[in-house]
Formats: sequence, structure tokens, C-alpha cells
Amino acid sequence: RKEVEQDPGPFNVPEGATVAFNCTYSNSASQSFFWYRQDCRKEPKLLMSVYSSGNEDGRFTAQLNRASQYISLLIRDSKLSDSATYLCAADSGGYNKLIFGAGTRLAVHP
Amino acid sequence: NAGVTQTPKFRILKIGQSMTLQCTQDMNHNYMYWYRQDPGMGLKLIYYSVGAGITDKGEVPNGYNVSRSTTEDFPLRLELAAPSQTSVYFCASSYATGGDTEAFFGQGTRLTVV
Repeated sequence: RKEVEQDPGPFNVPEGATVAFNCTYSNSASQSFFWYRQDCRKEPKLLMSVYSSGNEDGRFTAQLNRASQYISLLIRDSKLSDSATYLCAADSGGYNKLIFGAGTRLAVHP
Repeated sequence: NAGVTQTPKFRILKIGQSMTLQCTQDMNHNYMYWYRQDPGMGLKLIYYSVGAGITDKGEVPNGYNVSRSTTEDFPLRLELAAPSQTSVYFCASSYATGGDTEAFFGQGTRLTVV
């Protein structure tokens, strides 16, 4: 089983839609969780960290469910500029070794 | 504000050739990582380092070697290039502890082995 697994993409949604991505992790010792955004042919960049209490940044909401070992990302009111690949990441316990999921591609269309 | 710098940006290697991918960061981060990303796939961890003089294997270390003689530099060595090593390679760095430990990535090295 992969350490970090994500919803398979792509997600094709119209502008204004709400879309949710899920990501599961297998290592119960993981402490830190993140969502990264990667544009085509670019490096990943941090979108947001995921806290136990959940966190929100504008149209983006991230949540962590430790009991079920998954994290989620909700994007409200999708914009064309949200089109990208979204990667979830978790530390592998201890050494801050970051493990990434395969990514979920989002395409927002007019 | 250089951040993480990778060189070269592009490279074509012949099978069996060797090369070193350079990575340097100016943020005084203890943790550094090398990932590869195959087309349409996620990032796979090759090697990582928690500080100068300390390195460890990630998910896919075979065919690669690393060294960490300084905090700033973390070169990745391919000794006998194979077509399976055709990929985009990303170097990243972060602070040591958990919580808000954002990993900063370089712009990547696109490697083709023919």
C-alpha cells in the first residue's frame, strides 16, 4: 500500500463549482500534512498546511481526520486559475521525510 | 532571494553516462530532498538529508547517490544512466521540525536518457 494515496483525476468542473479532493495516508505516526499546487511543467508550491482543527484560506479549506487517516481539500467558487495538479503530502514520522501522493489534476472550464 | 537553485535545467544523457545534478539552497535549511517525477505522476523520494554529513534513502534510491558535505549543497549523482531514469528531478529543502515545515522546491532538472 502506498504511504500517501489520492483521488484519481482528472476533475473537470465549471467555473463557480465546489470541488473536493481526498487523500489517505498509511503511517499513523505522520504528524504534518500539506497540500501543494503544481502548475504544468513547474515546481510544486505550498498551498496550505493541514491542521488538526482544520484551516481555511479564502476559498480553500483543508481538514484532517486522524481516526480515518485522511486529509481533504475543498475549493469553493472555482476559478479558471485554479486549474493545476494538487498534491497532498505527509511526513513519514520522525525525520520530516515528506512523502507525496500522485496528485489530482483539476481542470476548471468556463 | 534565490531559494533553491538547481542546475542544469535540461540535460540529455546517453545510456551508461554519468552526471551530477546540482542543488544549492541559501535558506540555511537542515533538511534537503531529491524527488523524481515521471510524466503524469507524483513525486517519488530518492534520497533525503537531515543535515550536513547525514543522508538516507527514500522510496527509489537505486541508481543514484548523494552527498551532503555542507548545509547548502546536496548534489545527486547518476553513475550509469538508464532510460528508466528519464524524468524531472526536483530538489527541495525545509526546516527541521514538523508543523509548518514548508518544503521549497527548485525549478527542476529535465533529464532524458537515450
